Order: sequence, then structure tokens, then C-alpha cells
Amino acid sequence: EDQVTQSPEALRLQEGESSSLNCSYTVSGLRGLFWYRQDPGKGPEFLFTLYSAGEEKEKERLKATLTKKESFLHITAPKPEDSATYLCAALSGNTGKLIFGQGTTLQVKP
Amino acid sequence: GAVVSQHPSRVICKSGTSVKIECRSLDFQATTMFWYRQFPKQSLMLMATSNEGSKATYEQGVEKDKFLINHASLTLSTLTVTSAHPEDSSFYICSARDQTSWDTEAFFGQGTRLTVV
Repeated sequence: EDQVTQSPEALRLQEGESSSLNCSYTVSGLRGLFWYRQDPGKGPEFLFTLYSAGEEKEKERLKATLTKKESFLHITAPKPEDSATYLCAALSGNTGKLIFGQGTTLQVKP
Repeated sequence: GAVVSQHPSRVICKSGTSVKIECRSLDFQATTMFWYRQFPKQSLMLMATSNEGSKATYEQGVEKDKFLINHASLTLSTLTVTSAHPEDSSFYICSARDQTSWDTEAFFGQGTRLTVV
């Protein structure tokens, strides 16, 4: 069964304290691994797509990496405005559906 | 990035009435749109896949007669919650993918907070 698991469920950081969020996946025929940011009461906002193991993408303080079993979202020197829920989702090539993880809620304190 | 517009952002309705939610892709054509439901502090749960010009495909456990989906054009899909009850109160989100490449990112609407009283 296709499954995506994110950890930790919640993460509290001090401003400037770097960390990583994990996304483990078991998906048949993976066609892409997506990271989204979701603010309360809003729809998910696209961050990155990774297509193959070893691929990395960066945007400001965020860097996403991908292996054959998991993806990491590294946050370097976070700021309070980075506080949000981060969702990862795997696109199944067999079904064409995005399978979402439960999300990691990040809180960055000044 | 591409823009998906969802309307309304919030709606309160009486129990037994129906509510329609619209999802539009503003700058690209979407052969396929997706409807999700999200409970507080939970992830997105796919309800149905909406295909332009054909019937929607519903996920297991989702009542197709209660959640009516219409995808009349390449830029518009609608979700109608019929005979709404308080347990239908939730956050509903649509997404769309550019038809030219189905494995690219799906863009999401702003979401609709439905409250049934």
C-alpha cells in the first residue's frame, strides 16, 4: 500500500537554529516527490519537486533532498516567518494521485 | 507559478441546504482537478478526481450523491455538498495540474471553510 510518513509531527526551533524534516515514502512507481508549505486556513503552497534520488533543490533557507526511500527538507537559520506546516506528497505513477504525509508543524521562536 | 482560485473562502449554511464550491485554474488548462478534505491538524484526504467532460472518480468511502462534482471546462470544476449536515463541516481544497505534463506539481486553491449549523 502506498504510504507517506513525516516526522517529527511538530518541531519547535529558536530563530537561527537549523534542522531537518523527514519524509519517508513507500509508493509504487514514484513519479515525483513534492514539498508544500501550508499556513493556517490556507491551501498548500508549492515549494519543490524532486524526481530522482540524489536530486537537491534550494529556495532561500530551504533545501530539499531525495533518496530512494526518503526526502529531507533542511531549514537553515530559520526565521519566525518560516513557521508553518510543511507537507510532503508522493505522486504515484500507477494511480496518478498525490499521497500526502501528515505534515510537520514548525514553530520558530524569535 | 500557476494560480488556482477557489471560491468562496468561507461559507456557513443551514443543515439540509446545499453549497457549491468553485475551483478555477486561472492561467493554464487543467484536464484533471482534485478535491480534498482536511480535518483540523490532519493532512489532506483525497475525495475525488475530476476529469473534464467525464464523470468524477470518487475515493472509497466518499458518497458521490452527496458530493457532486462537475468539470464542465478545462478551467472550472465545482463541488456541491448536497443536503449538508454538521459532520460535513470541514476545510475543502481543490488542486489542478497543467494538462501538458501530468507529473509536474499540482497547484492548490486557497481552500473553503464550510460550517454547517
